[in-house]
Amino acid sequence: NAGVMQNPRHLVRRRGQEARLRCSPMKGHSHVYWYRQLPEEGLKFMVYLQKENIIDESGMPKERFSAEFPKEGPSILRIQQVVRGDSAAYFCASSRSGTGGTNEKLFFGSGTQLSVL
Amino acid sequence: GNSVTQMEGPVTLSEEAFLTINCTYTATGYPSLFWYVQYPGEGLQLLLKATKADDKGSNKGFEATYRKETTSFHLEKGSVQVSDSAVYFCALLNYGGSQGNLIFGKGTKLSVKP
Repeated sequence: NAGVMQNPRHLVRRRGQEARLRCSPMKGHSHVYWYRQLPEEGLKFMVYLQKENIIDESGMPKERFSAEFPKEGPSILRIQQVVRGDSAAYFCASSRSGTGGTNEKLFFGSGTQLSVL
Repeated sequence: GNSVTQMEGPVTLSEEAFLTINCTYTATGYPSLFWYVQYPGEGLQLLLKATKADDKGSNKGFEATYRKETTSFHLEKGSVQVSDSAVYFCALLNYGGSQGNLIFGKGTKLSVKP
């Protein structure tokens, strides 16, 4: 029973390029969450998606960042025209439901380390 | 706003030593509190949680008690092992928030020496 799968594990981009980060949730999970971890910082919530819907994007930067979770396939976090400040670890988590109750466990992937040169 | 403050690391202990990692929070209402652990090269895993005042969460020898009067949720373990070496994150979820909208502390790195 595979856990949350993220790829690539490491991604190197030059300033101005696009970064695409993928997340496949656990089997049976239809709720996906993206977090960003800057160096020496805790994880910061970015966006919460269900299949084909963005539920909460209150943590997403207003420009250059977008996320999707299509009916088929993985969730994608896309960063356009990357800058050095985007260098961070990006974690994806999934859950079976997202009811806001605390009984639902989040399962995290191992993260994608983005380095912008 | 909601926030979590945890003690700065890194923390280095010898095997079988007693561990305390302090965590305090600021929140409106009555949040749920969590400790997550991140082993090297892996994603975060839920270690324990408490959903109301005076609750004690426990798992794998770790414990934390939800103290509303001191707004704290300190993590403790009586005898650490080398395998406990990891980064520990305290987090809160405020009532009504979506499960994923956790507020995390900065993390405390623990190294246990044999």
